Amino acid sequence: DVVLTQTPPTLSATIGQSVSISCRSSQSLLHSNGNTYLHWLLQRPGQSPQLLIYSVSRLESGVPNRFSGSGSGTDFTLKISGVEAEDLGVYYCVQGTHAPPTFGGGTKLELK
Amino acid sequence: QIQLVQSGPELKKPGESVKISCKASGYTFTDYAMHWVKQVPGKGLKWMGWINTYTGKPTYADDFKGRFVFSLEASASTANLQISNLKNEDTANVFCATYWFAYWGQGTLVTVSS
Repeated sequence: DVVLTQTPPTLSATIGQSVSISCRSSQSLLHSNGNTYLHWLLQRPGQSPQLLIYSVSRLESGVPNRFSGSGSGTDFTLKISGVEAEDLGVYYCVQGTHAPPTFGGGTKLELK
Repeated sequence: QIQLVQSGPELKKPGESVKISCKASGYTFTDYAMHWVKQVPGKGLKWMGWINTYTGKPTYADDFKGRFVFSLEASASTANLQISNLKNEDTANVFCATYWFAYWGQGTLVTVSS
């Protein structure tokens, strides 16, 4: 199975600060069809996960554009340009290129 | 809009069985597969498997073979997860999710305790 390693496990930020989360895969997530199925989720406390970014860099409808995704192959990054209070929670990367789907271990974003 | 509504929390004893439902609305149920995801309180997400909502064929992750059964009531746009012979380590929040994790249910907390 593909292993997704997220760093850091915990991130402390002040409101307005820009932060990045890394997701590294144990094998390339480039599918034979040319797509890369690496997505980012946010789980706020007490809530279900919600999709933020799909296919590396595509912003899900309704998600603020302070969120952005980048990367290719085995290395991916989620960036938040100007953290807001509502962004606090746990961020997960998830891959769907190789069966079975797998999740990263999560990065908890908290207020400094 | 697409919604997934799950059944309520369950408190069970070891050895018992539980059935969790996930009712979909806002889209054609058979268009997207339904995934099941386990989350032990305070821990990360673990994929349990998925069911093809068009054919009814289930696929189970290795750790969820044997006691776990995915099923459908397609006429009711509902996916079900049944867990038999419950163990303490089955205590978790269980989510259904569709369209490759774009839409999630609210979660069903299953507590197994004697």
